[in-house]
Amino acid sequence: ERVMTQSPATLSVSPGERATLSCRASQSVNSDLAWYQQKPGQAPRLLIYFASTRATGIPARFSGSGSGTEFTLTITSLQSEDFAVYYCQQYNNWPLTFGGGTKVEIK
Amino acid sequence: EVQLLESGGGLVQPGGSLRLSCAASGFTFTNYAMGWVRQAPGKGLEWVSAISGSGGNTYYADSVMGRFTISRDNSRNMLFLQMNSLRAEDTAVHYCAKIPHPSYYMDVWGKGTTVTVSS
Repeated sequence: ERVMTQSPATLSVSPGERATLSCRASQSVNSDLAWYQQKPGQAPRLLIYFASTRATGIPARFSGSGSGTEFTLTITSLQSEDFAVYYCQQYNNWPLTFGGGTKVEIK
Repeated sequence: EVQLLESGGGLVQPGGSLRLSCAASGFTFTNYAMGWVRQAPGKGLEWVSAISGSGGNTYYADSVMGRFTISRDNSRNMLFLQMNSLRAEDTAVHYCAKIPHPSYYMDVWGKGTTVTVSS
C-alpha cells in the first residue's frame, strides 16, 4: 500500500500570501496524484490531477508540481474562500490512498 | 450538469446491514467508473470501493473486503454499496464519486449520506 503523508498538518497563512502544501508517497506513484479541497460541511472538490493539471473551473492561483514521491500544491495570493482542508490522493496502485490532509487556516 | 445524489444512510446496530444508493445524471454513466469514499466524524478521507464502467471489475479497501459489495445498474444510472456486518468504525459520511477511468481519481462528488453504527 502506498502511504501518503501530508505536511504540515496545519498551515496558518494571511490572506494574499502564498501557501505551499506537501504530499509525500511511501513509494513512487509516478504522476498519478490528485489534490482535493474540502470546506466544512461540504463534499471534497477536485483541484488537480496528474500532479499538475487543473480541473475544470479551478483558478490559476492553484498549481501542482512533482512526480515520483514528492508533490507540492501551491496557492498563490490566498483568498478567503481558499481556507479549507486539502487532501492528496494517489491512483497509481490499489488500494487508492489519501493523505491525512492539511488544514489551511487564517493567520 | 453532472449530479450525484446518495441515499440510504441511517442508524443501524452493529452487525446489521445497509444498502447505499447513488443516482447519477448529466453524463453517460456507463462510460465512467464509480466509487465510494467515506469520512469518519472529524477524520480524513478513506477510499472504500470502486467499480469499472461495465461493472466487470470491482475493487475494495482491506477494511471492507468481504463485508461490502459494490454494484451498478447501468440501465438506471445507479450505483450501490451493500454494507453487511457493520461495525462502529464504519460510522461515516459516505460519498459517491465519478471516476474518469482509466485513471482512478474522483472528478465529481455527491453530497454524501451518513451511516451511523451504534447500539
